[in-house]
Amino acid sequence: AQSVSQHNHHVILSEAASLELGCNYSYGGTVNLFWYVQYPGQHLQLLLKYFSGDPLVKGIKGFEAEFIKSKFSFNLRKPSVQWSDTAEYFCAVIVYSGGYQKVTFGTGTKLQVIP
Amino acid sequence: DSGVTQTPKHLITATGQRVTLRCSPRSGDLSVYWYQQSLDQGLQFLIQYYNGEERAKGNILERFSAQQFPDLHSELNLSSLELGDSALYFCASSVGRNTDTQYFGPGTRLTVL
Repeated sequence: AQSVSQHNHHVILSEAASLELGCNYSYGGTVNLFWYVQYPGQHLQLLLKYFSGDPLVKGIKGFEAEFIKSKFSFNLRKPSVQWSDTAEYFCAVIVYSGGYQKVTFGTGTKLQVIP
Repeated sequence: DSGVTQTPKHLITATGQRVTLRCSPRSGDLSVYWYQQSLDQGLQFLIQYYNGEERAKGNILERFSAQQFPDLHSELNLSSLELGDSALYFCASSVGRNTDTQYFGPGTRLTVL
């Protein structure tokens, strides 16, 4: 069965620090990868997605992620975080299995940015 | 605003009861997904419907069921509720049946007392 691991459960950074959140998945076939963000009190929003092509994907608000197939990873990065980036970040993987698509989310990483 | 609506926003009920959560997808979206978000288990995929038919099943309990109606809105039915069912239930929608971007609703917070 596929799984998604986000090893950092809680990250605290100062403003202007660089961010990298890890996401690893276990599935040997073709995957589609997503990062979602949930700001306090709000619903999940899409940050960026990877389906195919350039493995370096740029998303909204200055976020980017790199798909490294050999490492089964899709880490999220931002060069300089802001206080407004305080939120919970979820990595998600969609695969096909038996004619169905299966969606798996990671457990999330809470990011706290200190002004 | 994602265009996905969910009602009610909050629901408080007692153990053993049954509740129905409702989701209206974005205009033009044919797929509806249901998720459960709890503190201990994170975000869990429950079930997907595409154009009225069940498309994918995740970690959905037998006490839970869902359906998608001809107007494409969906309902998630939770029965014989237990304290552990307290969670935030999200609905998402996408255009197609496969690997599309999903747009999430604001969620329904269920509290079982």
